Amino acid sequence: DIQMTQSPSSLSASIGDRVTITCQASQDISNYLNWYQQKPGKAPKLLIYDASNLETGVPSRFSGSGSGTDFTFTISSLQPEDIATYYCQQYDNLPLTFGGGTKVEIK
Amino acid sequence: EVQLVESGGALVQPGRSLRLSCAASGFTFDDYAVHWVRQPPGKGLEWVSGISWNSGSIRYADSVKGRFTISRDNAKNSLYLQMNSLRTEDMALYYCAKGRHGGIVARIDYWGQGTLVTVSS
Repeated sequence: DIQMTQSPSSLSASIGDRVTITCQASQDISNYLNWYQQKPGKAPKLLIYDASNLETGVPSRFSGSGSGTDFTFTISSLQPEDIATYYCQQYDNLPLTFGGGTKVEIK
Repeated sequence: EVQLVESGGALVQPGRSLRLSCAASGFTFDDYAVHWVRQPPGKGLEWVSGISWNSGSIRYADSVKGRFTISRDNAKNSLYLQMNSLRTEDMALYYCAKGRHGGIVARIDYWGQGTLVTVSS
C-alpha cells in the first residue's frame, strides 16, 4: 500500500497568512493526488486534483504543486472560512490512501 | 447537481450484520465508479471499497476483505455495502463517494454526507 505522510498535523495561523501543508508518498505516484477540505460535521470537498489543478468554483487562494513523491498545498491568504481539516489522497493505485490530515486553526 | 444520500447506519452489536445504501442523482450513475470511504469519530479517512461502472472490477481494503460486500444496481442508481461480522473497529461515519470515471483507480470528486455505524454491545 502507498503511505501518505502529511505534515503538520495541525497549525495555527493569522488571517491573511500564507499556509503551507506538505504530503509525501511512500512511492512515486506521478501527479495522482487530490487535496480535500473537510469542515466540522461536513463531508470532504475536493479542492485540488492532479496535484495542481483547481476544482471548478474553488477560490484561487488555494493551490497545489508537486509530483512524484513530494507535494505541497498552499493557502495564499488565510480566510476565516478556511478553518477546516485538509487531507491529501493518492489515486495512483489501490487501495486509495489518505494522509492523516492537517487541522488549520486561527491564531 | 450531484447528490449522494447514504442510509442504513445504525447501532449494532459486534458480530452482527448491516446493509448500507446510497442513492445517487444528478449524474449518469452507470458511467462512474463509486466507493465507500469511512471515518471513525474524530479520526481520518479510510477507503473501504470501490466498484467500477459495470461491477466488473471490485476491490476492498484488507481490513474489510471477506466481511464486506459492495454492490450496485444501475437501474436504481444505487450503491450498497453489506457488512457482516461487524467489529468495534468498524464503527465510523460511512461515506458514499463518486469516482471521476468508470474505473476504480481514479480520483474521487463528490461525497455524500455519510451514515453512522455504531458497533457496541
